[in-house]
Amino acid sequence: QIQLVQSGPELKKPGETVKISCKASGYTFTNYGMNWVKQAPGKGLKWMGWINTNTGEPTYAEEFKGRFAFSLETSASTAYLQINNLKNEDTATYFCARRDFDYWGQGTTLTVSS
Amino acid sequence: DILLTQSPAILSVSPGERVSFSCRASQSIGTSIHWYQQRTNGSPRLLIKYASESISGIPSRFSGSGSGTDFTLSINSVESEDIADYYCQQSNSWPTTFGSGTKLEIK
Repeated sequence: QIQLVQSGPELKKPGETVKISCKASGYTFTNYGMNWVKQAPGKGLKWMGWINTNTGEPTYAEEFKGRFAFSLETSASTAYLQINNLKNEDTATYFCARRDFDYWGQGTTLTVSS
Repeated sequence: DILLTQSPAILSVSPGERVSFSCRASQSIGTSIHWYQQRTNGSPRLLIKYASESISGIPSRFSGSGSGTDFTLSINSVESEDIADYYCQQSNSWPTTFGSGTKLEIK
C-alpha cells in the first residue's frame, strides 16, 4: 500500500537549521511529484511548493522563497524539506503530500523556541 | 492568488442529519475544487476531487457539487466519526490555495 512516512518531531532554536524527511513506499517515487504543506498551530493549510521527483526541480510558493529548500534522495524514495535560519513563526506541522494530494504523510511537528 | 472563503467557521449538527459546507472562490475556477477532511492531530484526507468526483474508499455519504465560484460538500447522514475540520482547495490557478476550513461539531 502507498505510504508517506515522515521523520519525527523537532525542537530547534532560532537561527538553527532543520531537515525533515518524507519516505515514500508502495509506488514508483519518480512518477509523482511531492508537495509540502505547512499548518501553523490552530491554523489552516498553506501550500509551500513542490518538487519534481523526476528532475529534482523545486518550485516554491512566494512566501517560501529564500530559507526553504526541497531536495530528493531518489535511491531512497525520500523527499526532504530543509528550513534554514529558523524563526519562531516556523513553528508548525509540516506535511508532505503526493502530487495530487491523494496521499499525505503523518506530519512532522517543528517547534522553534529559545 | 485565488481566495477561497469557507463558511461558516463552525457547523454543529446532530447525528443522522444532513450537513453542507460552503466554499466560495474569488474568481471562477471551473470545477477545480477539492475537499479534505482533517481529524484532530491527523493528516488531511482527500474526500472529493474536481468538485464532485468520488474517491475510492471514501463513504458514499460524502458528495460534492458546484462550479464556477460556489461549491458545496455535503454529508448525507452525519456520524460521530465525521467530527473534523473540512477544507476546500483550488487547483485552477497557481499557486494552489486552501480555504480557511469549517469545523464540524456533533451536538
